[in-house]
Amino acid sequence: DTGVSQDPRHKITKRGQNVTFRCDPISEHNRLYWYRQTLGQGPEFLTYFQNEAQLEKSRLLSDRFSAERPKGSFSTLEIQRTEQGDSAMYLCASSHSPEGNTEAFFGQGTRLTVV
Amino acid sequence: RKEVEQDPGPFNVPEGATVAFNCTYSNSASQSFFWYRQDCRKEPKLLMSVYSSGNEDGRFTAQLNRASQYISLLIRDSKLSDSATYLCVVNGRSNTGKLIFGQGTTLQVKP
Repeated sequence: DTGVSQDPRHKITKRGQNVTFRCDPISEHNRLYWYRQTLGQGPEFLTYFQNEAQLEKSRLLSDRFSAERPKGSFSTLEIQRTEQGDSAMYLCASSHSPEGNTEAFFGQGTRLTVV
Repeated sequence: RKEVEQDPGPFNVPEGATVAFNCTYSNSASQSFFWYRQDCRKEPKLLMSVYSSGNEDGRFTAQLNRASQYISLLIRDSKLSDSATYLCVVNGRSNTGKLIFGQGTTLQVKP
């Protein structure tokens, strides 16, 4: 399967614990996006990378959230000291965008439940 | 005001009906526009890109009105399998812009 891959698919954690999600984009896609989605809402932008550079981070993202894409390939999203409000689907997407914006392809997401 | 706004619906239509969804965006410098489809508990998937001249793909037609900052999606001859949430997506102001999603419009096609 050469699509966007996310791991794990599901994560249940206790409040206060740290969690880390991984995203493997489509090969040679230079852009990688992280979104969060809750029931009845559209995907909410968290951050995105062009190669290894993190170009933008949402103001909604607290200091508990951090993302990396160290070699411009896979990316990780870490949430520290999880709260119940962090429960959501975390979606990763990638695109090949040498100029302008092309469509982004999504992974199946990581569903986080904080209990 | 949200950057991308859609009527959440739901739109309940019979099979064979024609249905139209609208979307407005706030950033006049936006350059790229898309419609995505999302099935229940699945990831969003690209339905079609939206071009200035408008574009059609089978039963689906997308239109862009830059002056009014308005995007539309028309679905003709609705099928049961069209039942899903349709997401309007707009990029930021430049080539490095993020992709911004609307809330989504839910369509239910009834037999």
